[in-house]
Amino acid sequence: AQSVSQHNHHVILSEAASLELGCNYSYGGTVNLFWYVQYPGQHLQLLLKYFSGDPLVKGIKGFEAEFIKSKFSFNLRKPSVQWSDTAEYFCAVNAWGQNFVFGPGTRLSVLP
Amino acid sequence: DGGITQSPKYLFRKEGQNVTLSCEQNLNHDAMYWYRQDPGQGLRLIYYSQIVNDFQKGDIAEGYSVSREKKESFPLTVTSAQKNPTAFYLCASSADRANYGYTFGSGTRLTVV
Repeated sequence: AQSVSQHNHHVILSEAASLELGCNYSYGGTVNLFWYVQYPGQHLQLLLKYFSGDPLVKGIKGFEAEFIKSKFSFNLRKPSVQWSDTAEYFCAVNAWGQNFVFGPGTRLSVLP
Repeated sequence: DGGITQSPKYLFRKEGQNVTLSCEQNLNHDAMYWYRQDPGQGLRLIYYSQIVNDFQKGDIAEGYSVSREKKESFPLTVTSAQKNPTAFYLCASSADRANYGYTFGSGTRLTVV
């Protein structure tokens, strides 16, 4: 069965710091990879997704993620975070035609 | 605008009562899903439906029931058999069995008192 792990439960950063949130998955076949964000009191929104092609994908609000197949990883990055990035971030994986598997989430707190 | 509407936003239930959470979408998506979100556990799949009049159990279906009589609607009933029902419930839909991502509703927070 697929599983997704996220390295950090809670990350605290100051504004303008760089961000990297780790995501690893276990599945030997071809997968689609996603990062979702949940701002306080809001619904989950898609940040970015990877299906194939360039392993470096860019999403909304300056986020990007890199797929490293050999490491089964899909880490999320942002060069300079803002207070408004405070949210919970979920990595998700699905094999083609199958349901999503979500990671446990990483809570990001950005201090002004 | 197209989207998913979940109602109510907050719901309180007494122990031993069944309660139904509403989920409606106007995206013309075939597939719909119910997830439960608990702190530190991410999202866990309760039930999903790929087509009208058909649905499948997810990872934590015990104590829950669903119906899919219309494409637009996928209500979830939390029964008295669910031992720990207090949680945040999210409904989602997708056009092609999630291959291109989900659209989520804003959720219902259920509290058992």
